[in-house]
Amino acid sequence: DQQVKQNSPSLSVQEGRISILNCDYTNSMFDYFLWYKKYPAEGPTFLISISSIKDKNEDGRFTVFLNKSAKHLSLHIVPSQPGDSAVYFCAARVWGSARQLTFGSGTQLTVLP
Amino acid sequence: DGGITQSPKYLFRKEGQNVTLSCEQNLNHDAMYWYRQDPGQGLRLIYYSQIVNDFQKGDIAEGYSVSREKKESFPLTVTSAQKNPTAFYLCASSTQGANTEAFFGQGTRLTVV
Repeated sequence: DQQVKQNSPSLSVQEGRISILNCDYTNSMFDYFLWYKKYPAEGPTFLISISSIKDKNEDGRFTVFLNKSAKHLSLHIVPSQPGDSAVYFCAARVWGSARQLTFGSGTQLTVLP
Repeated sequence: DGGITQSPKYLFRKEGQNVTLSCEQNLNHDAMYWYRQDPGQGLRLIYYSQIVNDFQKGDIAEGYSVSREKKESFPLTVTSAQKNPTAFYLCASSTQGANTEAFFGQGTRLTVV
């Protein structure tokens, strides 16, 4: 049972346009959500996060939106740059847990020059 | 500077042999984790440890073993009982704070032939 789902395995966007990556979850006990960026043969690097008490968090070109009623979150990248091309993982954490993360299957973003 | 070090980056082993993957962190983090990534899939949790001398099984612990004798170190042994050991293995660590991210190492690519 996949608790965190990224239904789009890939996304292509033109440089300068907006990239929107989506993530759905099923566990209502998740209280903290994170996005990681990963290049091939490297470890994921933390990008941005959001607590369940918020509905938006912004950091430079990156904004994460959380819709708790729909159990949906999205990552917006504006403007997209070729260096943003990577696999993006959505992750979630259960309140009061041992802090381990549950990951989605990832979305390969390709930003075309 | 602080970080998580996984070694080696690439590892080849013959089928039936046990192999130990190293993970060391100097971030003074209490919690450490091992994840496995397979092509087209997200990261799946193998084992995690919140404190020294204590660890718990994750979602796919069968065929793996760990130890946590020191705060800085969390080695993972892939035993011959693991049916599909070829994968990309990622170690991570985090503080015990409520809203904190996990930091990942660069990963070890294990190939069993």
